Amino acid sequence: GNSVTQMEGPVTLSEEAFLTINCTYTATGYPSLFWYVQYPGEGLQLLLKATKADDKGSNKGFEATYRKETTSFHLEKGSVQVSDSAVYFCALTRTYSGAGSYQLTFGKGTKLSVIP
Amino acid sequence: SQTIHQWPATLVQPVGSPLSLECTVEGTSNPNLYWYRQAAGRGLQLLFYSVGIGQISSEVPQNLSASRPQDRQFILSSKKLLLSDSGFYLCAWSVYSDTQYFGPGTRLTVL
Repeated sequence: GNSVTQMEGPVTLSEEAFLTINCTYTATGYPSLFWYVQYPGEGLQLLLKATKADDKGSNKGFEATYRKETTSFHLEKGSVQVSDSAVYFCALTRTYSGAGSYQLTFGKGTKLSVIP
Repeated sequence: SQTIHQWPATLVQPVGSPLSLECTVEGTSNPNLYWYRQAAGRGLQLLFYSVGIGQISSEVPQNLSASRPQDRQFILSSKKLLLSDSGFYLCAWSVYSDTQYFGPGTRLTVL
């Protein structure tokens, strides 16, 4: 079945450093790929999404490219801020459950701490 | 625009007590609804999903149950809580898409 492997954290960076969080996947077919972000004590927020090979999702300075040849969807940001401190989850579409409902598979999350 | 609410935000319950968590969605019709649990160090676990009123699918056997009495209302229940039920419970919705949108969550501590 579909699965996601995400680099384990925690990751600690200084402000304005370059960020990469690795995500690789195993899937049949052509799943959509997602990055979600969870700030302390809150629910998950959709950060970005890509639906087909070579698509680039981007939002708030974050980017990730759907790489089918390497089965990867690495999250990058050129210059992180303290406010980016959160847990980041990579996810992909797992199964179609019928009636327009899809199930997602999530990675275990990577905690990012950005220090001033 | 669509919004999703969960309550209560936090809950402390003794072992063996009942549970009822509520999730409601506004601004959309016929959403698909999901309950997840996030336990410390264990990532996100899908518990239940629903594609319509009264239609519940369970992902894992446990002492929890779910109900959907109205189109935009999703309830998570238990008759007797266990210590292992502690965690952060998240409700999510989607509409004819694989993109899910999450609520703010309920922090449950079972003592």
